[in-house]
This record gives sequence, structure tokens and C-alpha cells, in this order.
Amino acid sequence: GESVGLHLPTLSVQEGDNSIINCAYSNSASDYFIWYKQESGKGPQFIIDIRSNMDKRQGQRVTVLLNKTVKHLSLQIAATQPGDSAVYFCAESYGNNRLAFGKGNQVVVIP
Amino acid sequence: EPEVTQTPSHQVTQMGQEVILRCVPISNHLYFYWYRQILGQKVEFLVSFYNNEISEKSEIFDDQFSVERPDGSNFTLKIRSTKLEDSAMYFCASGQVSNQPQHFGDGTRLSIL
Repeated sequence: GESVGLHLPTLSVQEGDNSIINCAYSNSASDYFIWYKQESGKGPQFIIDIRSNMDKRQGQRVTVLLNKTVKHLSLQIAATQPGDSAVYFCAESYGNNRLAFGKGNQVVVIP
Repeated sequence: EPEVTQTPSHQVTQMGQEVILRCVPISNHLYFYWYRQILGQKVEFLVSFYNNEISEKSEIFDDQFSVERPDGSNFTLKIRSTKLEDSAMYFCASGQVSNQPQHFGDGTRLSIL
């Protein structure tokens, strides 16, 4: 199939700790991957993206890892802050502009 | 920072009526999209638009739906003869080039009664 899914529905993390959010994808032809953050009442907000010719990309406090062998994508958030509490979506694209989203993973930061 | 803006934020419409959802994409973007998110479900692709025509549409985007870029700034989604199952959040997105990050608006919540 061409599904993108998340392993854990909710992740609770202590403020200051690192967070890891995982995502599995099934379409080996996907060549572009992106992470979005969605806060209540808002639209998806771009966090970081990665292309299939890379296996790691770093942003500000965030790192995305891509393992094409096992079709796995992860988002690491360093020093998690209360403002990081949100739903996180991974999405994939395969040769065109259409993004296929996963179901989302709720991150709850405990102060 | 430039952003995608959508109006209205909430639209309530009687079943069978037509509704138009409006979007102003980021000004130098060339690719435009509509997605929807039914409550509790994942975001689903509806349609992409480039160079004044539809470049791709999903199976959801049937004859009930249409898109238009009536001028240099607006991008609209029209839903004719709305059904109860059309109730959802509708997100507009835009991108500068293909396969670059798509930037989303905050959505229009469509409620069909």
C-alpha cells in the first residue's frame, strides 16, 4: 500500500529531555519526506524535510533521520520545551506534489 | 514571515448548498493545494494546482469540487451540493516549487447541517 503511519499515538516527555517520534512508510518510491507540527486550532506547520538521497538532516533543535532500508523516518527534538506540545505528522511524497500524511502523534511535554 | 491565509475560519452551511472556501497563498509561490482533515482522521490530499490548471487530484475530488484562481492572489475551493460527510477542516497550502515544503494555512472548519 501507500500508507504512512506512526507507531505511538501519544508521547509524554519531561521538559528538557529529548523526544523521538517515529514514522513508518510503505512506498519505497517515496523521494521526499517532511515533518509537520500541528497545534490546536492551527494548520500544519513545517518543521523539517529530507530527500531520499540523504539519511540525516539537522535543523534548530530538530533532527530528521531517514532509513530507507526499513522505510523508517524519525524526528528528534532536543531539550523539549512546553511549546513543543502538539501533534506531529510525517508525510511523504512520491514523484509529484501530493503529500500523504500519517495519522499523527501527540507529544505532551511535562513541566 | 509570509503566511497562507484562509477565510472564513468557520463556515456553517445547510446540506445541498454550495460553499466557497477562500485562500490567499504566499505571494511568490507557484503551487497551490487543498487538503482536508475529517475530525480525528489524518490530513488527506484533494487537489494540486499549477500554471492555472489542476496538476493532480485525488479520488475524493470528484465533480462536486472545483478550484479556481480568479486573480493573482486568491485560490478558491468550491463545493457544490454539500453533503454531511463534507464536514471537515479544509486546509490550503502553497509551495514555491515542486517538492519543496508546502506551507499551510490555519484552515476553514466546514460544518454541514
